[in-house]
Amino acid sequence: EAGVAQSPRYKIIEKRQSVAFWCNPISGHATLYWYQQILGQGPKLLIQFQNNGVVDDSQLPKDRFSAERLKGVDSTLKIQPAKLEDSAVYLCASSLGRGRLGHTGELFFGEGSRLTVL
Amino acid sequence: QKEVEQNSGPLSVPEGAIASLNCTYSDRVSQSFFWYRQYSGKSPELIMSIYSNGDKEDGRFTAQLNKASQYVSLLIRDSQPSDSATYLCAVMNNYGQNFVFGPGTRLSVLP
Repeated sequence: EAGVAQSPRYKIIEKRQSVAFWCNPISGHATLYWYQQILGQGPKLLIQFQNNGVVDDSQLPKDRFSAERLKGVDSTLKIQPAKLEDSAVYLCASSLGRGRLGHTGELFFGEGSRLTVL
Repeated sequence: QKEVEQNSGPLSVPEGAIASLNCTYSDRVSQSFFWYRQYSGKSPELIMSIYSNGDKEDGRFTAQLNKASQYVSLLIRDSQPSDSATYLCAVMNNYGQNFVFGPGTRLSVLP
């Protein structure tokens, strides 16, 4: 079974530029998450999708970050304009999750996209 | 944002010893609790889940949950150098939402 695919693996940009990350979850997984992990910290949830609807985006800095999951499959996360503090690894994860009974709590993570903002 | 707290470490234990990792959470409606392991430069992977008060054992790992104290722990018996990693505590509410990770505890098992 193919895992969660993410691209690009690495990206270096200058502040105020824009960047986009792509994620393709495991086939059949209804729930998709984007996390930001700054070096030495735990993953911070940015946005959670259930199929193509947003479940939680309360910590997404909406003035510069946007995300979409068209057709309920793959997803893109965009940052525009980027700031120095956006330097982090952006992790995409998916799960079968369909509410408490269907959610084992097992998130399958991609390898992440490492962003460096200069 | 619901809070999940862990000691950042590093926690150093000799090979063969028991490693004890602790986690507290602030949201009383949290119902599901997880321990993820993250090797340096890699993504997190699930190692234990626990939903009810008490202990749950899986091989060398034991998760302990006390909802009244809002406390969850992970014990690793017979620690091996390959257990050296960051251990992330995560909590989730009843609806598969608010899947929040703690800052992680870095464990170093010394040969």
